[in-house]
Amino acid sequence: GNSVTQMEGPVTLSEEAFLTINCTYTATGYPSLFWYVQYPGEGLQLLLKATKADDKGSNKGFEATYRKETTSFHLEKGSVQVSDSAVYFCALSAAPNRDDKIIFGKGTRLHILP
Amino acid sequence: DADVTQTPRNRITKTGKRIMLECSQTKGHDRMYWYRQDPGLGLQLIYYSFDVKDINKGEISDGYSVSRQAQAKFSLSLESAIPNQTALYFCATSVAGDYYNEQFFGPGTRLTVL
Repeated sequence: GNSVTQMEGPVTLSEEAFLTINCTYTATGYPSLFWYVQYPGEGLQLLLKATKADDKGSNKGFEATYRKETTSFHLEKGSVQVSDSAVYFCALSAAPNRDDKIIFGKGTRLHILP
Repeated sequence: DADVTQTPRNRITKTGKRIMLECSQTKGHDRMYWYRQDPGLGLQLIYYSFDVKDINKGEISDGYSVSRQAQAKFSLSLESAIPNQTALYFCATSVAGDYYNEQFFGPGTRLTVL
């Protein structure tokens, strides 16, 4: 079946450090891939997305590239800020534009120290 | 701003009690979802509804029921609450036919069953 695996947290970094959160997936066909972010006390919100191989999603300084050969969608940011502290979820939609659901990873909690 | 709202935001109840969590949306979306979030387990889908007359079980529907009273309202009920239903519950919406199947989340309801 379809699944998403992301690195376990918590991840603790100092401000201005480089961030990578690993995400790999298993899916049939050509899924769309997403990163959602959950700030403290809030629901999830879409951070970025990519729909086909080699697409790069980007938003708020975060980037992730859809790598079909390695079935990965790692999240990166060159210089993190304290305000980036949150839980990050990798997710996939296995059949875009059809009646299918999103599968979420377990989430990675990120702490940024000032 | 169009929004997804959940009531109550926090609830403490006792084992065996019936409880209802409510979700309302002003986005005009057809699809609505209920998720449960437990630490380290990510999000698990409880029920989803693609329109008022189309309600489907998710991965963990046992012990829960739902009602789609209108396009804008989707309620989750625990008929007889038990302590292992203590969790954070999220409602989400999406647009039918959206290629990306982006989901929009409410702020969550923290439920504690004693």
